[in-house]
Formats: sequence, structure tokens, C-alpha cells
Amino acid sequence: LAKTTQPISMDSYEGQEVNITCSHNNIATNDYITWYQQFPSQGPRFIIQGYKTKVTNEVASLFIPADRKSSTLSLPRVSLSDTAVYYCLVGDFGQYSSASKIIFGSGTRLSIRP
Amino acid sequence: GAVVSQHPSRVICKSGTSVKIECRSLDFQATTMFWYRQFPKQSLMLMATSNEGSKATYEQGVEKDKFLINHASLTLSTLTVTSAHPEDSSFYICSARDAGTANTGELFFGEGSRLTVL
Repeated sequence: LAKTTQPISMDSYEGQEVNITCSHNNIATNDYITWYQQFPSQGPRFIIQGYKTKVTNEVASLFIPADRKSSTLSLPRVSLSDTAVYYCLVGDFGQYSSASKIIFGSGTRLSIRP
Repeated sequence: GAVVSQHPSRVICKSGTSVKIECRSLDFQATTMFWYRQFPKQSLMLMATSNEGSKATYEQGVEKDKFLINHASLTLSTLTVTSAHPEDSSFYICSARDAGTANTGELFFGEGSRLTVL
């Protein structure tokens, strides 16, 4: 699986837009990029997934440049409840890859202040 | 959406005892489940891949005789920490993919089980 690199931590304030960038220089052709959120003492929760360009859902946007060697998770107008650890995962998440193991990187610890 | 449930959520045991943690996929079938361990302030570490009807595949450095995994049905995998010691105290998390969720990549995680060995 492609190794990912993220900032260890980030701080922001309520109402701001937060962008977390992940580097994955060795991403393979079949690899997708998926972001998860984890609160203390809970399992990770799926946020968003993309393959290329831009993906948006009700909670976040994911920007992926043409070379796919990095991606940026964008959280609009964060609140205190967005304080969590965010993980960028890269791997073959395709339909026939249910057995592909998922390796977590260090994640980014996001702290939101009032 | 698909739900993965773990039980128990918390367990405290004495050193030397064995503890079983269950992971169930509630509304989908999972031929493969994954077990992770997470220490405080650290990321999730993959321990093993649980395969229904066959032996689990363990990651390097994970003792298969220490952490017994049984995936007896398409909706249940169990992790048994045998002869637990204080250093086994950790947060154990299971996950599974719904093979019917084509190309969404969503990996569903359980709530986690916090093991404390005294």
C-alpha cells in the first residue's frame, strides 16, 4: 500500500475552513484515496473517498491533482466537534478488493478552538 | 448504512486470563475482517486479517498464538487475547468491508474494545 505523509497536528478556529494535505508519492493506478475521522475511544469513521479531481459530500471536499501524488481534505466552517484525528489512506478499494488490508499512517490531530 | 458492532466495549481482567472480543457485521456479510490495535496517542496498527472459513493472516510481529482469531461465519469474527498481560492493555478495533458496496471504499469500523489488564 502507498505510504502516506500528513502533518502531525493542526490548529484552527471555529468557522474557519481547514485544509489537510496528504502526500502519497507512490500511489498506484488502482489506488483510491480515502479519509477517515477518529474521535477518542471510538472507531474511525469514513469521511470521503476519491480517485481524481474533486469530490464533495455533505461534510467535506477532497481535492486531488492530476498526478494524484497528493490530496487535500477540506473541511468548511469547522466547529469544536470537528476536533479529531484525520487519517488519509491510499489503497485498492475497488469492488473486488474487499480483502485488501488497510494500513493507517500517523494521521493529523486537528484541534479546533473557540 | 452498514454497521459493525464490537462486544464488549470495555473489559478489565486479571493478568494471565484470556479475553474474547467479538466483531459482528450487522447488516452485511463480510468474508474479510481486519483487527487493529491502538495505543494512546498512536495510530491504528493492523494486527491481522480475518478470513471466513480459513486461517487469519497475521502482520509481522503479531503473535498468532497470543492473539487467536476465529472467523466462523460471514458476520462474526472473534479475537481472543490469551494469557493477557498488562502490556496487552490497548484499544482493539475491528473493521469490515461490505463487498456489495462497489467502489465506495468505505471500510466500516466497530466501536472498539478497551482492554485493561491488571
